[in-house]
Amino acid sequence: NAGVTQTPKFQVLKTGQSMTLQCAQDMNHEYMSWYRQDPGMGLRLIHYSVGAGITDQGEVPNGYNVSRSTTEDFPLRLLSAAPSQTSVYFCASMAGSEQYFGPGTRLTVT
Amino acid sequence: GQNIDQPTEMTATEGAIVQINCTYQTSGFNGLFWYQQHAGEAPTFLSYNVLDGLEEKGRFSSFLSRSKGYSYLLLKELQMKDSASYLCAVRLNYGGSQGNLIFGKGTKLSVKP
Repeated sequence: NAGVTQTPKFQVLKTGQSMTLQCAQDMNHEYMSWYRQDPGMGLRLIHYSVGAGITDQGEVPNGYNVSRSTTEDFPLRLLSAAPSQTSVYFCASMAGSEQYFGPGTRLTVT
Repeated sequence: GQNIDQPTEMTATEGAIVQINCTYQTSGFNGLFWYQQHAGEAPTFLSYNVLDGLEEKGRFSSFLSRSKGYSYLLLKELQMKDSASYLCAVRLNYGGSQGNLIFGKGTKLSVKP
């Protein structure tokens, strides 16, 4: 099992560019989520999904879109990157009492 | 609103015992998680408490008191590799059957020889 995978590991964007962060899991988990982690702020929930075709907003959704066409994949789209979106992004999937995180994507917006 | 508090930093000595506290005030409660996160890495699951009391797992134990909105993580026989950030997270009642997690800001533990 690969668990939760994320690509890319690192990305530099210019302000205004768009991009998609990929996330996939092979554990057949219904629940998936995206977090961002900033120094001194902890992990904050961006969007989550409770199953294919169902998504909802978390604590800090502005500037991000998600979709969930399959159980396995949960991509995060940045529509028009801003310096405030410089952060480390973690995708996670959950079943029962355990949540598994992907390795993270370190994004810098200049 | 949701609020989870834990100390920002702690220092302890190799071989000692350290207790990391977490207090929470949330609009719902469906369990409390502890994660370990080494610098530059993803968080990894340590423990989960949904009922009051102590859960022991090797050198790590976690305690929960729902009436007091309080949990702690106890690390025994500290090793240098335990130097990491420890994240407390509360699972809320919404967000589908799994429930969304709200994280504290983390406690950075430094273990010294």
